[in-house]
Amino acid sequence: ELKVEQNPLFLSMQEGKNYTIYCNYSTTSDRLYWYRQDPGKSLESLFVLLSNGAVKQEGRLMASLDTKARLSTLHITAAVHDLSATYFCAVDMVYGNKLVFGAGTILRVKS
Amino acid sequence: DTGVSQDPRHKITKRGQNVTFRCDPISEHNRLYWYRQTLGQGPEFLTYFQNEAQLEKSRLLSDRFSAERPKGSFSTLEIQRTEQGDSAMYLCASSRLADYNEQFFGPGTRLTVL
Repeated sequence: ELKVEQNPLFLSMQEGKNYTIYCNYSTTSDRLYWYRQDPGKSLESLFVLLSNGAVKQEGRLMASLDTKARLSTLHITAAVHDLSATYFCAVDMVYGNKLVFGAGTILRVKS
Repeated sequence: DTGVSQDPRHKITKRGQNVTFRCDPISEHNRLYWYRQTLGQGPEFLTYFQNEAQLEKSRLLSDRFSAERPKGSFSTLEIQRTEQGDSAMYLCASSRLADYNEQFFGPGTRLTVL
């Protein structure tokens, strides 16, 4: 059974600082997705990572995938308050099939 | 492209009642998924369709749950004889395989069972 673990589960950081969220998964997969969820809202797709070594960047967020280590990272650069949200990684074990989500990382950026 | 829509957005019901939720996917998406999310957790897969065919159901989906996608467009999720443990956010998502199965989520239906 595929398991997806995120760490940390809660992250409080100061504006302007850098930090990384980690996502480990237990079974081979070449596809990993990052989503953002604001309180009481649905999930917004951030990144789709499709191969080993894939790196995607959007604004202050950068995601990468190492399929051999079964690890993805979401790096936050110079955090701003607007990045406060819950971030989920999800893995698609069989192409086109269901996503298995991690528990989420609650990010709070303090000014 | 109007995105994935769900109706209703909120539903409060008494234990033992039946409820039905609707999901309208993005029009060119042939895959439709239902997930359930409880507070502080990531979404958990319930079932999914390719066109009108239901291809997989989670073990989480008891006999009280049924889902349909009759013409390969909108989908309904029905819960019979609701229990307090059914209280959750029910999320619908759709995707197109050509787009690497990137799943786009609707706003969700929040169910409260009293």
